[in-house]
Amino acid sequence: NAGVTQTPKFQVLKTGQSMTLQCAQDMNHEYMSWYRQDPGMGLRLIHYSVGAGITDQGEVPNGYNVSRSTTEDFPLRLLSAAPSQTSVYFCASSYSRGLSSSYNEQFFGPGTRLTVL
Amino acid sequence: TQLLEQSPQFLSIQEGENLTVYCNSSSVFSSLQWYRQEPGEGPVLLVTVVTGGEVKKLKRLTFQFGDARKDSSLHITAAQPGDTGLYLCAGAGETSGSRLTFGEGTQLTVNP
Repeated sequence: NAGVTQTPKFQVLKTGQSMTLQCAQDMNHEYMSWYRQDPGMGLRLIHYSVGAGITDQGEVPNGYNVSRSTTEDFPLRLLSAAPSQTSVYFCASSYSRGLSSSYNEQFFGPGTRLTVL
Repeated sequence: TQLLEQSPQFLSIQEGENLTVYCNSSSVFSSLQWYRQEPGEGPVLLVTVVTGGEVKKLKRLTFQFGDARKDSSLHITAAQPGDTGLYLCAGAGETSGSRLTFGEGTQLTVNP
C-alpha cells in the first residue's frame, strides 16, 4: 500500500492564481481531511469528509473548496490564492466505522509546502 | 470549539535528561492521541488513550490521560537525540467522531 499520497510536494503561486492540491489513499478509509500547519499553531482543520459525496467545513475553511467523488481521492482547491494561505498542507485519512471511530489512527501524507507571493 | 493547549512550546535538553510535555483543555475528550512529526514529513501516531486515568508505556515514553479526560501528559525518560521532533496531542470530542482538534505542538530538541 502506498498509504496517503499528496502532490505536488512544493508549489509557488502568485496572488490570485488558482490550483488544486491532490490527495489520494489506497486503504479504503471513509474519513479524509485537510489540515494546514503554520509555525506555533499546530494543525488546523480546513475541510473533512466522512465518505464519498459528503464534505463539511472545519476550523479554517475560507478560501478553500473540496469535493469527494470517490473514496480514494479528496482534492483541495484554492480558488484565488492569497499570501495568508502560505503554509504546509497535510491530507489525512482514517478508518471510520462505529462508535470507536475517534480511537482510530489518522494516517498523514507527506505534505505540500505552498508559498503564495 | 474545543481547544488544546500544549506546554512547553519549545524544549531543548541534554541526552539522558527526563522531560514531560503537557496537553490541557477545559473540554472533555472521548480519546486523546499523541503524534510525533519529523521535518518534512507528516505526523505519525504514537499512542491513543481512551479511559480516564489510563497510563500507556511505549519503551521510554509514558502517556497518561487525566481522570476527567480533559488533559494528558507525555513523559520521556532518559531522552536520546533520536527523540528530537515535534510532538502533537490531538483530542476527539464526545460527538465529533473522527474529527480531531490538535494542540500547538512541542518542539523537542535532544542534544548529544
